[in-house]
Amino acid sequence: GQSLEQPSEVTAVEGAIVQINCTYQTSGFYGLSWYQQHDGGAPTFLSYNALDGLEETGRFSSFLSRSDSYGYLLLQELQMKDSASYFCAVRPPNQAGTALIFGKGTTLSVSS
Amino acid sequence: DTEVTQTPKHLVMGMTNKKSLKCEQHMGHRAMYWYKQKAKKPPELMFVYSYEKLSINESVPSRFSPECPNSSLLNLHLHALQPEDSALYLCASSQDQGVAKNIQYFGAGTRLSVL
Repeated sequence: GQSLEQPSEVTAVEGAIVQINCTYQTSGFYGLSWYQQHDGGAPTFLSYNALDGLEETGRFSSFLSRSDSYGYLLLQELQMKDSASYFCAVRPPNQAGTALIFGKGTTLSVSS
Repeated sequence: DTEVTQTPKHLVMGMTNKKSLKCEQHMGHRAMYWYKQKAKKPPELMFVYSYEKLSINESVPSRFSPECPNSSLLNLHLHALQPEDSALYLCASSQDQGVAKNIQYFGAGTRLSVL
């Protein structure tokens, strides 16, 4: 089976840097994705790591280490609008047509 | 246009009612999904349609019945629901179910309350 663990809550102040970790137990997967969801809103795609290493998209970066079964999302120069839930997700291979499996989610609260 | 449109935004129904949720995308995506999300929980996959054919049913009770009339539309028919079915129902689409990256574009959801 697939299991992705994230911290349930993270708090930070505006302008700070925060790292949201995702550790997983899975027999294999194509890559690690990150989605953001504001309260009452739709999940939106943030980042994807197919290979080990760092992917940078503006203020957001994501990292994957398959050997450590670990990934993280790094948010820099935090803004109030970054307050949201963040989910890591994987697509398991070798299962016909399986869609994304999401981690339990991390609620990020940014204060001024 | 990267929009997935869901209607209605809110729905209140009794346990004997029949209602339908609708989802539409015009991105040319060939995979469409229904997820159920409870408060403070991640989305849980319910159904996957690939090229207008049902490819995954994650052991969802028969009181939920999906339909894909064409490549742009996805419906979820509801009948004889239970109060525990109250949740946010999210529709999503992606370019192709077989693509490894599988970026999914989500609609804003229908918030369903079953009384």
